[in-house]
Amino acid sequence: DAMVIQNPRYQVTQFGKPVTLSCSQTLNHNVMYWYQQKSSQAPKLLFHYYDKDFNNEADTPDNFQSRRPNTSFCFLDIRSPGLGDAAMYLCATSQGFLGEAFFGQGTRLTVV
Amino acid sequence: GENVEQHPSTLSVQEGDSAVIKCTYSDSASNYFPWYKQELGKRPQLIIDIRSNVGEKKDQRIAVTLNKTAKHFSLHITETQPEDSAVYFCAASQGPTNAGKSTFGDGTTLTVKP
Repeated sequence: DAMVIQNPRYQVTQFGKPVTLSCSQTLNHNVMYWYQQKSSQAPKLLFHYYDKDFNNEADTPDNFQSRRPNTSFCFLDIRSPGLGDAAMYLCATSQGFLGEAFFGQGTRLTVV
Repeated sequence: GENVEQHPSTLSVQEGDSAVIKCTYSDSASNYFPWYKQELGKRPQLIIDIRSNVGEKKDQRIAVTLNKTAKHFSLHITETQPEDSAVYFCAASQGPTNAGKSTFGDGTTLTVKP
């Protein structure tokens, strides 16, 4: 009965090779977030969707893009992964911004 | 934008003692303050939250206090147990419009020694 599902759990990609991470939710929440988390650090917000409205954080590199084709799915595209992009990527959802955020299990990205 | 500072970054306590983690925020428009616990290798999960119209909230061994005037809020864990060992993140959120957002603190690594 997982509510926020991320696939795959582990992803290995080559330096510079585009990669897509996916997230789906069964909660019908209107907000979906993508976070990058490196070891021993807080999750860093990359961007979020409020319904179809896309909000990019000012310091999110252009290398990172996102798509939300419908309420249930959200994708993170990394156009040209560098070694510094290796991290855990967490997807989360919430109903508005004033309620609990539900996180997926994350996708651990390795860049070789 | 919002800035959330969390202290301490690491905290070690003896089993049975209390632990207190503090966060300050900068934007007076923030009105929702959740606390998340992240165990090693797992996803963050909400443990308690508080809204701006409440000063204190308690759930068994966990409590959160909020001082809106001073713009700070704290997590209190009493009678700590080894399974409380984890990284704890505070966050400050504002909404409900589509201009809302959540900002995390940098986290506190809590170690409870048996």
